[in-house]
Amino acid sequence: TQLLEQSPQFLSIQEGENLTVYCNSSSVFSSLQWYRQEPGEGPVLLVTVVTGGEVKKLKRLTFQFGDARKDSSLHITAAQPGDTGLYLCAGAIGNEKLTFGTGTRLTIIP
Amino acid sequence: DAGITQSPRHKVTETGTPVTLRCHQTENHRYMYWYRQDPGHGLRLIHYSYGVKDTDKGEVSDGYSVSRSKTEDFLLTLESATSSQTSVYFCAISELPGGGYEQYFGPGTRLTVT
Repeated sequence: TQLLEQSPQFLSIQEGENLTVYCNSSSVFSSLQWYRQEPGEGPVLLVTVVTGGEVKKLKRLTFQFGDARKDSSLHITAAQPGDTGLYLCAGAIGNEKLTFGTGTRLTIIP
Repeated sequence: DAGITQSPRHKVTETGTPVTLRCHQTENHRYMYWYRQDPGHGLRLIHYSYGVKDTDKGEVSDGYSVSRSKTEDFLLTLESATSSQTSVYFCAISELPGGGYEQYFGPGTRLTVT
């Protein structure tokens, strides 16, 4: 059973455009993390959100945790080729484990 | 970068043979995790450890065993490899329980079972 659904699965846009990717679940998470993974490497944490409704910004990336803590979004402004990668959300249920979504593969075309 | 290494980085093995993957950390973190990553499935937890000799199963533990005799090393063993275990395996560490705390990932091991 996949607890976290990410959409879209694939996204290819031109440099300079804006985009939003989504992470949705029917489960309530105590916290949610976003990772970026580049080919041949392990995922790297971008942000952790904990409070329902929380918004965090990381340069051109804006992360939002849903009010009910069941969903999250990642918005990128003025996308750059360096943003290319696989974006993974991961939700925590309980204290010790994370459940990962299937990922959104983002390609930014120069 | 967190000090996590995985060995081997690539391995090709035959069906029915045993395989052991090693994860080594230099961060002295308590929690260690083994995941597999497959297209369409994302990262799925195989086993994890919350201390030396303390391990528990994840969502896809069948066919896998683990051992942790030292804080720095977490071994994943496929007792009798099958083609369905062809995957990329990632080790991760965390200073505190995974929920809400950063997990640092190793570079991965690409395993092919023929």
